[in-house]
Amino acid sequence: DAKTTQPTSMDCAEGRAANLPCNHSTISGNEYVYWYRQIHSQGPQYIIHGLKNNETNEMASLIITEDRKSSTLILPHATLRDTAVYYCIARLNNAGNMLTFGGGTRLMVKP
Amino acid sequence: DAGITQSPRHKVTETGTPVTLRCHQTENHRYMYWYRQDPGHGLRLIHYSYGVKDTDKGEVSDGYSVSRSKTEDFLLTLESATSSQTSVYFCATAGQSYNEQFFGPGTRLTVL
Repeated sequence: DAKTTQPTSMDCAEGRAANLPCNHSTISGNEYVYWYRQIHSQGPQYIIHGLKNNETNEMASLIITEDRKSSTLILPHATLRDTAVYYCIARLNNAGNMLTFGGGTRLMVKP
Repeated sequence: DAGITQSPRHKVTETGTPVTLRCHQTENHRYMYWYRQDPGHGLRLIHYSYGVKDTDKGEVSDGYSVSRSKTEDFLLTLESATSSQTSVYFCATAGQSYNEQFFGPGTRLTVL
């Protein structure tokens, strides 16, 4: 799996959009970009994933650059409950391929 | 949350004793995983299963064994626990569309 680089921490005001960047400059053509988050003491939670096109679901939007070397996870209206560690993962999409969680970005949503 | 439960949720044991952690799911998911999470190392895969009696090793499998005799249960065994196996253990499952892994609440294991 390609290595990903994320800022260690970020702050966001409640109600504003949270934009979390991820660099994956060595990503291969068949590796997907996945985002998970982990709220303190809980198991990780899947957010979204994509290959080339931008993706949106009920939780977030994923913007992948045209060269696929970086991406941004957008939480459109952050709430206090979005305070968590967010992990960006580049991986092949097969069942046996583990999720390799690095350090992630600690997002603090403030009132 | 895919109906995943883990037992026990907390355990303290002594070096050299055997320990078995259980993961139980109610969603009939085919794939099941065991991860450990340690400060500075993120989440690392120990073993995974792609069906009943079908298992394979992950990144950090030494000192661990697994068994899956039923779809709903995936057991992780530490044959002789060591202090380096003190960690939080997470079970995860994935269905046919294995894009999304669902994680259990975790088991905090302390080996003294």
